[in-house]
Amino acid sequence: GAGVSQSPSNKVTEKGKDVELRCDPISGHTALYWYRQSLGQGLEFLIYFQGNSAPDKSGLPSDRFSAERTGGSVSTLTIQRTQQEDSAVYLCASSDRVWDGEAFFGQGTRLTVV
Amino acid sequence: KQEVTQIPAALSVPEGENLVLNCSFTDSAIYNLQWFRQDPGKGLTSLLLIQSSQREQTSGRLNASLDKSSGRSTLYIAASQPGDSATYLCAVKETSGSRLTFGEGTQLTVNP
Repeated sequence: GAGVSQSPSNKVTEKGKDVELRCDPISGHTALYWYRQSLGQGLEFLIYFQGNSAPDKSGLPSDRFSAERTGGSVSTLTIQRTQQEDSAVYLCASSDRVWDGEAFFGQGTRLTVV
Repeated sequence: KQEVTQIPAALSVPEGENLVLNCSFTDSAIYNLQWFRQDPGKGLTSLLLIQSSQREQTSGRLNASLDKSSGRSTLYIAASQPGDSATYLCAVKETSGSRLTFGEGTQLTVNP
């Protein structure tokens, strides 16, 4: 693909429901990042996948958050039992080389929990 | 723990001015540094990537410099235009295969 693709672009969900956010990285990119950006705030690191290595999950805010990356390509971020404070833009990025690649971001998924 | 600071938080300039945005980081042992811009409601667009062994990178009217020993990077924008109005973010990668750590950004407004 031409760039990092995220879906859906917008998601409104009721408090307590589970949501899945999808990220399609640039083909061949080995590293994949998830970040969260709350309104007017900076980027908060969530999770980082590096090839076949164990992901760096140290940024996940609670056990309601999980992510997986299937076949080294597509990634899904799952939020269980959503809460209003989960409302934010969720951004995904990928880079072409584990060691020093330039990171490219998708347009994000705007999640609103009502 | 790596901390990245960007100064100023906001900047307003008239069109045509040259300007400098600053980024500092606490741990100088970085792997690379990347500058991004973010337009309202959009994702991040990569502007420049500087490897730890490099001193600067240039793309069009943009020039980014890196001084690892002092923990600083600057983004120089020449002949600013209203279309340059956006939030500019710097991010450092501490080691190969690690996360990016972001600053809070500088919100730039270029007035016609």
